[in-house]
Amino acid sequence: EDQVTQSPEALRLQEGESSSLNCSYTVSGLRGLFWYRQDPGKGPEFLFTLYSAGEEKEKERLKATLTKKESFLHITAPKPEDSATYLCAVRAEGANSKLTFGKGITLSVRP
Amino acid sequence: DAGITQSPRHKVTETGTPVTLRCHQTENHRYMYWYRQDPGHGLRLIHYSYGVKDTDKGEVSDGYSVSRSKTEDFLLTLESATSSQTSVYFCAISDGRLVQETQYFGPGTRLLVL
Repeated sequence: EDQVTQSPEALRLQEGESSSLNCSYTVSGLRGLFWYRQDPGKGPEFLFTLYSAGEEKEKERLKATLTKKESFLHITAPKPEDSATYLCAVRAEGANSKLTFGKGITLSVRP
Repeated sequence: DAGITQSPRHKVTETGTPVTLRCHQTENHRYMYWYRQDPGHGLRLIHYSYGVKDTDKGEVSDGYSVSRSKTEDFLLTLESATSSQTSVYFCAISDGRLVQETQYFGPGTRLLVL
């Protein structure tokens, strides 16, 4: 059974204080790892897809990395507008496009 | 933003009544999905569709049915709503191609079953 574990459950940072969010996964053949951002009362917003170990992707203050067992979402010099819940999901081989999601990490950035 | 709308956006209903939620897309994507999101559980797949009239169950399908008669519309029906189905429901779409299989989500429907 595919599993995704995100840690910590919640993270509070001061503006400008860089940190990382973790997504550990167990999957029978990874076909993609996805990061989403979700603001309160809204649907998840796509951020990144990573397909193979060693791959990295960046967008503004965010950088996602991937190993064979986990992914990190690094946040550099965060701002209050980066406050949101960050979701990680995996797609396994043969999963017919289905995703397995973690429970999410709630990030709060104080000014 | 992906062209996905959900209706209604909010609904309050009573136990035992049938409820239908609608997802409409303007992207002509092949795949459509229904998820529910509950505190402590994350997003869980209810049903999905891989084409018109082609649907399959997800991990939490009991008590739910779906229909897809047109590419653009995917309906989720709660046959007889129960309090345990109080949740936020999200529709998602993807084009289903091998490389670009990102799922894009709608704004959600908040359902309260009394």
